[in-house]
Amino acid sequence: AQSVSQHNHHVILSEAASLELGCNYSYGGTVNLFWYVQYPGQHLQLLLKYFSGDPLVKGIKGFEAEFIKSKFSFNLRKPSVQWSDTAEYFCAVSGYSTLTFGKGTMLLVSP
Amino acid sequence: DVKVTQSSRYLVKRTGEKVFLECVQDMDHENMFWYRQDPGLGLRLIYFSYDVKMKEKGDIPEGYSVSREKKERFSLILESASTNQTSMYLCASSPSDRVGDEQYFGPGTRLTVT
Repeated sequence: AQSVSQHNHHVILSEAASLELGCNYSYGGTVNLFWYVQYPGQHLQLLLKYFSGDPLVKGIKGFEAEFIKSKFSFNLRKPSVQWSDTAEYFCAVSGYSTLTFGKGTMLLVSP
Repeated sequence: DVKVTQSSRYLVKRTGEKVFLECVQDMDHENMFWYRQDPGLGLRLIYFSYDVKMKEKGDIPEGYSVSREKKERFSLILESASTNQTSMYLCASSPSDRVGDEQYFGPGTRLTVT
């Protein structure tokens, strides 16, 4: 079975700090990987995705993620966060079937 | 722009009631999904459908059923609502013939069962 583990449940940062959210998955075959974001009161929306090719993927709003196959990881990064990045972030993986989501990381950015 | 709409943003029902949650997508997507979202548990898949009248159980189907009579509409049914079904319910759709591709989400229905 496929599974996803997100390292942190809550992260608090000051504006302009750098962000890295950890995501590890468990699946032995080819995977699609996703990061979704849910801003307060809004729909869950796609930040970025990896299907194949360049393991460094760039998404919306300055986010990027790196797929490291040997580590089964897909960590999300942003060099300088803003207050507006306050949201819940979900990593997801699909291998043989539908998407499996992690439990989410709540990011709070203080101004 | 893909739009996934859900019939209610907030719903309050009594224990034992039959509850219908409706979801409509306007982009002719093949696949549709129902999740529940609970704090600290992330999103858990209840059911999905890859075609009209077709359905598959997800990870937590107990206490739920679904109906997909038309391609654009996917309904989640709680046959006899219980307090442990109080949750946020999210509907999603996906255009691909693979169920493991990008999904587009609706705004969610926050259901409270008293």
